[in-house]
Amino acid sequence: GAVVSQHPSRVICKSGTSVKIECRSLDFQATTMFWYRQFPKQSLMLMATSNEGSKATYEQGVEKDKFLINHASLTLSTLTVTSAHPEDSSFYICRASARGGLEQYFGPGTRLTVT
Amino acid sequence: AQSVAQPEDQVNVAEGNPLTVKCTYSVSGNPYLFWYVQYPNRGLQFLLKYITGDNLVKGSYGFEAEFNKSQTSFHLKKPSALVSDSALYFCAVRDPPPGDYKLSFGAGTTVTVRA
Repeated sequence: GAVVSQHPSRVICKSGTSVKIECRSLDFQATTMFWYRQFPKQSLMLMATSNEGSKATYEQGVEKDKFLINHASLTLSTLTVTSAHPEDSSFYICRASARGGLEQYFGPGTRLTVT
Repeated sequence: AQSVAQPEDQVNVAEGNPLTVKCTYSVSGNPYLFWYVQYPNRGLQFLLKYITGDNLVKGSYGFEAEFNKSQTSFHLKKPSALVSDSALYFCAVRDPPPGDYKLSFGAGTTVTVRA
């Protein structure tokens, strides 16, 4: 089956710094990628949807200047958390979708801890 | 808007007993329904989906789900639960094509299977 990877799997950073999380589709072209965050024992909250080569569409309440999303190629999307704060500590998960595909492939997630 | 509800935060069963995780949906039109499982600090793993066809859908790891249109339900079932089935389970719904690929998730149900 299709594989989606995320890097890093865990990251600890200091408050005020920026962190980049990569999401890669390894054996298919992901025309659309979705970014979610998940707090402990809670559901996934969609942050933004990105299509290759275009600007991401952010969900209401998500700061686009804080959570920078780039989808420069059909196999890579990045989420950069800028000027991170402890409240940004969360589990970030990407999901990739191929053109016209019904299948949805999730990455393994990235645990971000901001100290 | 499409939505799903998981009425139970937690389900506890003994190993070997039947397991049911409940999900109800609210959609306009025909629903595309999914079940995912999440183990601690991991991404979501696909279990099964209902698009059309037989109301009883069989999926991974011995799980199945029954689509019931009259009750707007899509309950996940396993005839004989294993301790290793202990995890967080999510029901999800998305628009059928050509709608967008956004998935809306339920709040999740924590399943604990005791030995």
